[in-house]
Amino acid sequence: AQSVTQPDIHITVSEGASLELRCNYSYGATPYLFWYVQSPGQGLQLLLKYFSGDTLVQGIKGFEAEFKRSQSSFNLRKPSVHWSDAAEYFCAVGDKRYSTLTFGKGTMLLVSP
Amino acid sequence: GAVVSQHPSWVICKSGTSVKIECRSLDFQATTMFWYRQFPKQSLMLMATSNEGSKATYEQGVEKDKFLINHASLTLSTLTVTSAHPEDSSFYICSASDVGGNTGELFFGEGSRLTVL
Repeated sequence: AQSVTQPDIHITVSEGASLELRCNYSYGATPYLFWYVQSPGQGLQLLLKYFSGDTLVQGIKGFEAEFKRSQSSFNLRKPSVHWSDAAEYFCAVGDKRYSTLTFGKGTMLLVSP
Repeated sequence: GAVVSQHPSWVICKSGTSVKIECRSLDFQATTMFWYRQFPKQSLMLMATSNEGSKATYEQGVEKDKFLINHASLTLSTLTVTSAHPEDSSFYICSASDVGGNTGELFFGEGSRLTVL
């Protein structure tokens, strides 16, 4: 069975500082990997996804993520965080394009002035 | 991009009543929709997969008689929480895949927050 681990429940970053959110997955074959962001009381918005090809994936809002098969990781990064980035971030894995997703427990990002 | 809309966004009901939540794909046809439940400060847990024109597939531990799912058209799936109790209070989110668009992306609704008094 596939699983996703987001080891950090909360992260606080100063505005303008760089950000890295960790995600590790467990899956036998090549996974389909996603990062979603959720603002309070809102649905999920897709930031980026990895299916195949270039292991460094660019997403919306200046986010990027790197797929590292050897480490079973798909960490999300942003070089300079803005206050509006404060939200909860979910990493997810699927076994095919249109399948259901298994989500991690999420990482709450707090941005300090 | 494709849009999935849920209604209502908020609903408060009395214990014992039934509540219906709608999930619509606004600009694409979705043969499959997914219903998730999210407890406070928790991740999303898949409840069921809704297939147009057929019975939904429920995840283990989800009571199909309590959470009725109907996917009567290619753009609408409904989740009915029957005889709701306070422990059913949660944030319910649906998603749908734009298979025709071949993006492989699941589009999520805005979620529906149910509070059972």
